[in-house]
Amino acid sequence: DVIMTQSPVSLPVTLGQPASISCRSSENLVYRDGNTYLTWFHLRPGQSPRRLIYKVSNRDSGVPDRFSGSGSGTDFTLKISRVEAEDIGVYYCMQGTQWPFTFGPGTKVDVK
Amino acid sequence: QITLKESGPTLVNPTQTLTLTCAFSGFSLTTSGVGVAWIRQPPRKALEWLAVIHWDDLKRYSASMKNRLTITKDASKNQVVLTMTYVDPVDTATYYCAHYYYDNSGDSAIFDSWGQGTLVTVSS
Repeated sequence: DVIMTQSPVSLPVTLGQPASISCRSSENLVYRDGNTYLTWFHLRPGQSPRRLIYKVSNRDSGVPDRFSGSGSGTDFTLKISRVEAEDIGVYYCMQGTQWPFTFGPGTKVDVK
Repeated sequence: QITLKESGPTLVNPTQTLTLTCAFSGFSLTTSGVGVAWIRQPPRKALEWLAVIHWDDLKRYSASMKNRLTITKDASKNQVVLTMTYVDPVDTATYYCAHYYYDNSGDSAIFDSWGQGTLVTVSS
């Protein structure tokens, strides 16, 4: 199985300041079709996961442009340009290149 | 608009069988490339993919859970059922179903929509 790791585990943030989360995979996530199936999800307490970013850098509909994804191969990053209160929660990366799909352990973002 | 909703028991005794249903709308499991997956999140732990069923009835399971899981679909009812045998307190979790789509042209929608989740507690 592809192992996904994330850092940091916990990320205290100041509202209005940027934040960055790193995600690494144990194998290259480029699929045979040339796409890289690296996805980012956001979970708020009591809510179901919301997909933010797919295929590394594509924002889902309705996702604010303060969120951006980047990376390639095995190293990926989610950036929030200016954290807002609604961004608090846990962020997960997931690889969808190889079955079984696997998630990272999560990064908890909260206010300092 | 795609919607999914999970249902099932909130409390299950250890060693019993858990049956969860995902009712969905906005897509069809008879459409090529479509699938429905089950994912769970134990309290204070990470998300864990469990199983997926594809439009052509291809089924995939988590290796660690494979012997205990069965996923089936009723495309005419727009439902997917996950059965888990011999549940244990460690299976206590919120269980989600999610939409999946992939075709050979590279078009995809992997877990773009999720249900609200259903919390299942395994305890005697």
